[in-house]
Amino acid sequence: EVKLVESGGGLVQPGRSLKLSCAASGFSFNDYWMGWVRQAPGKGLEWIGEINQDSSTINYTPSLKDKFTISRDNAQNTLYLQMSKLGSEDTAIYYCARGPGYNSYYWYFDFWGPGTMVTVSS
Amino acid sequence: DTVLTQSPALAVSPGERVTISCRASESVSTGMHWYQQKPGQQPKLLIYGASNLESGVPARFSGSGSGTDFTLTIDPVEADDTATYFCQQSWNDYTFGAGTKLELK
Repeated sequence: EVKLVESGGGLVQPGRSLKLSCAASGFSFNDYWMGWVRQAPGKGLEWIGEINQDSSTINYTPSLKDKFTISRDNAQNTLYLQMSKLGSEDTAIYYCARGPGYNSYYWYFDFWGPGTMVTVSS
Repeated sequence: DTVLTQSPALAVSPGERVTISCRASESVSTGMHWYQQKPGQQPKLLIYGASNLESGVPARFSGSGSGTDFTLTIDPVEADDTATYFCQQSWNDYTFGAGTKLELK
C-alpha cells in the first residue's frame, strides 16, 4: 500500500524557517517524481514544486522559488521541504504527493499524504 | 500562467447526472486531470489525461475534453460524492482550478 506521511508542521513565528518531511512507503521511492502542494484554510490548491528521481531536476512555482527548497533522500525514502522567511500568507496545510514514474506522458499526483498544518503567527 | 476556471458550486440529487466544467485560458491539449477532495481529507486522483480513469475509481466518474474545455461527469451521483472537485493542468507548468463544491440535495 502506498503511504505518504508528512511531519514537521506547527506554529512558527513570522520570518522564521521550518523544515517539513514526508516519509514514503509501499512503493519504490526512487522511481518517482515527488512534489509538494499547499492549501490555505478554506482555499484551493497551490502547486509548490517537484523533484525528479535523482534530484537532478527541481522546479518551483516562481513566487516561492526564493523561499522554499525541495530535496529528497532516496536511501531514507524521505522528501523534504525547507521553508524560510515565513509569513502569514504561508499558513496552510502542506501536502506531499507522488508524481509520475519513468516514461509517464502526463504529469499529475496519484497519491497524496494527509498533510501537515503550518501556522505562521506571532 | 494558465488559468483554470471552474464554477464554484453545484447542487444535485442522488441518482442524477452531473457535469463539472473546467475551462483553461489557453490550450492544454489533453494535459488535464481531476481530483476529489472530501472535507478534512487529502485530494484523491480521479481522472488523468482528460479521460483516463484512475485505477480503483468507480466507473460512475468519467472525463472528457481537449484544448481549453474539459468536463468531469458523475453518473449517477451518490451521497458519498459530496466533495470539492479540482482540475489541474500539466501542459503549461502546473496549475489548479479553484474547485467546484458539489452538494447533494
